Amino acid sequence: DAKTTQPPSMDCAEGRAANLPCNHSTISGNEYVYWYRQIHSQGPQYIIHGLKNNETNEMASLIITEDRKSSTLILPHATLRDTAVYYCIVRVNQLSGSARQLTFGSGTQLTVLP
Amino acid sequence: ETGVTQTPRHLVMGMTNKKSLKCEQHLGHNAMYWYKQSAKKPLELMFVYNFKEQTENNSVPSRFSPECPNSSHLFLHLHTLQPEDSALYLCASSRAVLTRGNEKLFFGSGTQLSVL
Repeated sequence: DAKTTQPPSMDCAEGRAANLPCNHSTISGNEYVYWYRQIHSQGPQYIIHGLKNNETNEMASLIITEDRKSSTLILPHATLRDTAVYYCIVRVNQLSGSARQLTFGSGTQLTVLP
Repeated sequence: ETGVTQTPRHLVMGMTNKKSLKCEQHLGHNAMYWYKQSAKKPLELMFVYNFKEQTENNSVPSRFSPECPNSSHLFLHLHTLQPEDSALYLCASSRAVLTRGNEKLFFGSGTQLSVL
């Protein structure tokens, strides 16, 4: 699976949009981009995923560049409860794949400030 | 509430104790997982079960013994653990095993284990 690069930490003011970047320059055509987040001392929570097109759900928007080498997770109106570690993961759609391919790196610690 | 429940939430045990962690999912999923998260480290996959059958063991020491009696329940039996096994142990489930890129994991809140 392609590796991802994320900034270790970011701050965002409450009520403003939080834009979390992720670089995945070695991504291949059949790899999805996933975002999860982990609030302190809890299990990770799925946020959103996409392949080529931009995606939006009730939690966030995912913007994938045309060359697919990077993406941005957007939380449109960040709240204090959005403070968490955000993980960007890419993994292949492959029947013979292993669950080990869904690897969580170090992520970005997002702190939403009042 | 993710639909995946883990008990106990916290556990302190001595190195000679035997204890078990329990996970139950109410999502109708067919695959279940154990992950370990040590302090300041990324999540590590430990075991994968698909329709009650173990499909992956990520070179986990034998002092960790998983059990999956049915698709809704998963246990992790612990015996003669070491202090370095202290960590957050997370259970997760998915509709199908993560062999497709379109599958999502649903995690429990974890058991914070301390081995003294």
